[in-house]
Amino acid sequence: AQSVTQLDSHVSVSEGTPVLLRCNYSSSYSPSLFWYVQHPNKGLQLLLKYTSAATLVKGINGFEAEFKKSETSFHLTKPSAHMSDAAEYFCVVSDGDFGNEKLTFGTGTRLTIIP
Amino acid sequence: NAGVTQTPKFQVLKTGQSMTLQCAQDMNHEYMSWYRQDPGMGLRLIHYSVGAGITDQGEVPNGYNVSRSTTEDFPLRLLSAAPSQTSVYFCASIGTSGSEDFGPGTRLTVL
Repeated sequence: AQSVTQLDSHVSVSEGTPVLLRCNYSSSYSPSLFWYVQHPNKGLQLLLKYTSAATLVKGINGFEAEFKKSETSFHLTKPSAHMSDAAEYFCVVSDGDFGNEKLTFGTGTRLTIIP
Repeated sequence: NAGVTQTPKFQVLKTGQSMTLQCAQDMNHEYMSWYRQDPGMGLRLIHYSVGAGITDQGEVPNGYNVSRSTTEDFPLRLLSAAPSQTSVYFCASIGTSGSEDFGPGTRLTVL
């Protein structure tokens, strides 16, 4: 069985400072891992994904995440927060074969940017 | 491509009413799924389909039915709506990128 834990339900950072959103996962297989972002009253947008290639994954809008198997973590980072980054972020794990995946979502981290 | 489309965007039902949430994709994706999103609980998988004619239950299937008669369409049916089904519903599909493309969501309120 797979599961994902987002360690913080709410993170606040000042504009221009680094962002760290933490995610730990549990999977029986070699997992695929994703980060999605959801802006208020909007749908979900894929930020980045890890699928057993490079462990440091770069995504859109300056975000990146590092897959650490020994720590079962996939934390999302950004060097400098922007006001437009304020949103809810979901860490997602999948350990099925391609075409037959089941995704398990974390409960989300709400990111607030302080001007 | 229109991507994943959902209708309606908003819906209010009375307890016991039935309705169908529509989902369609024009990307020829085999895998489609339905999620509900509730505050503090992330997204939970209701039902999914790996191709036309094949459906299976997800984490929270009770109270919902699905069918997949074509690759393009994956409707979600509520046979007898309950207030506990008040939620935002997202349809999604997976293509060769391996990541899910989500529809814009349907906000459902059951009174």
